[in-house]
Amino acid sequence: EPEVTQTPSHQVTQMGQEVILRCVPISNHLYFYWYRQILGQKVEFLVSFYNNEISEKSEIFDDQFSVERPDGSNFTLKIRSTKLEDSAMYFCASNLRATYNEKLFFGSGTQLSVL
Amino acid sequence: DQQVKQNSPSLSVQEGRISILNCDYTNSMFDYFLWYKKYPAEGPTFLISISSIKDKNEDGRFTVFLNKSAKHLSLHIVPSQPGDSAVYFCAASALRGGSEKLVFGKGMKLTVNP
Repeated sequence: EPEVTQTPSHQVTQMGQEVILRCVPISNHLYFYWYRQILGQKVEFLVSFYNNEISEKSEIFDDQFSVERPDGSNFTLKIRSTKLEDSAMYFCASNLRATYNEKLFFGSGTQLSVL
Repeated sequence: DQQVKQNSPSLSVQEGRISILNCDYTNSMFDYFLWYKKYPAEGPTFLISISSIKDKNEDGRFTVFLNKSAKHLSLHIVPSQPGDSAVYFCAASALRGGSEKLVFGKGMKLTVNP
């Protein structure tokens, strides 16, 4: 079965450093997302991306965050200057159509630890 | 800002019995509701969904009930199996409002004991 893959599975960084989280969505999917889950809290929407541009973003997704689809397969989330509160599990997701919420496939996540 | 609430953090049931997981929401714009299941070290996976035009949707051992007037939905698993042990997330979206995002609850850890 096709799956969304995320690398790395764990990332440790120093506060103030830039990190790039990588995702390979399912190959024929058109809509891409980032969600995150801070330990003990709910899964939160960060951003959706379609046709090479952001289609929706949350208030969490401030100027420190950016997303990019640098080639035909990768989808990245960059945090420019990490803060302690950015420590979370970051999930990438993709689907064929934005309204197909039941067909939203999540990756296994990248655990980001900011020290 | 808890638009989707799962007030019980955990539930433990015996194998073969019914598991009932509850979820409440506050945003009347939500028109589509989903349950996701998550095992450790994996991402959430879709389980079952319901549109706001329905009050029940069934898929095998899983049934979701929606009470719009109470802004409440529940997931029934019967019979429960040990493999159902996982964290279950209730999620909602406002598709008619044009939003793509899912709003999740905090999750409930279900343990099914053999």
